[in-house]
Amino acid sequence: DTAVSQTPKYLVTQMGNDKSIKCEQNLGHDTMYWYKQDSKKFLKIMFSYNNKELIINETVPNRFSPKSPDKAHLNLHINSLELGDSAVYFCASSHTLSQTGLRNTIYFGEGSWLTVV
Amino acid sequence: KQEVTQIPAALSVPEGENLVLNCSFTDSAIYNLQWFRQDPGKGLTSLLLIQSSQREQTSGRLNASLDKSSGRSTLYIAASQPGDSATYLCAVHTSGTYKYIFGTGTRLKVLA
Repeated sequence: DTAVSQTPKYLVTQMGNDKSIKCEQNLGHDTMYWYKQDSKKFLKIMFSYNNKELIINETVPNRFSPKSPDKAHLNLHINSLELGDSAVYFCASSHTLSQTGLRNTIYFGEGSWLTVV
Repeated sequence: KQEVTQIPAALSVPEGENLVLNCSFTDSAIYNLQWFRQDPGKGLTSLLLIQSSQREQTSGRLNASLDKSSGRSTLYIAASQPGDSATYLCAVHTSGTYKYIFGTGTRLKVLA
């Protein structure tokens, strides 16, 4: 069973469209994240949720809206897509960020390749 | 603000060589540091996690060390193999934050 799964894996869409990426983890983790990897392969955090509550919003445009219906899911909705949104979006989870230790190992999904044309 | 840098950016070595990848971070107040591997077109796979109280962690041919006071970690790969070819990323969990900050990555190629 895949620990962190995200769909779709590939998404090609036109500028101005609205799209969503879904993420689910079956690890029983409390904390989930969205990371963006740009063309230079640099990974930058976008959002962090702990127990369905938003903890981090890293100066992401408000066209990006995460939604966590429950602890196991963190979806990313993007409005009015722009060319610069083209990137790979990774969902991840960890047990909890309020503790140290091996339980904080972070697990990543396979990524969603978004291309805006 | 935590900044994480990895040197070198790219590395090409012949099979069988032992090699060291470097990771530097600016804020030494960390909970832990994690090393990942990323294959082309794939997600990230966790290799090793070192807690702030530890000096090193080992898994098979991999050994990661942590010197918190100097803001450095190294990933040592013994007897490298072509299958080790990938991008290696380190990530730091800074104390008091709810996120991992990633380094710039080292792209490794092991030649057969």
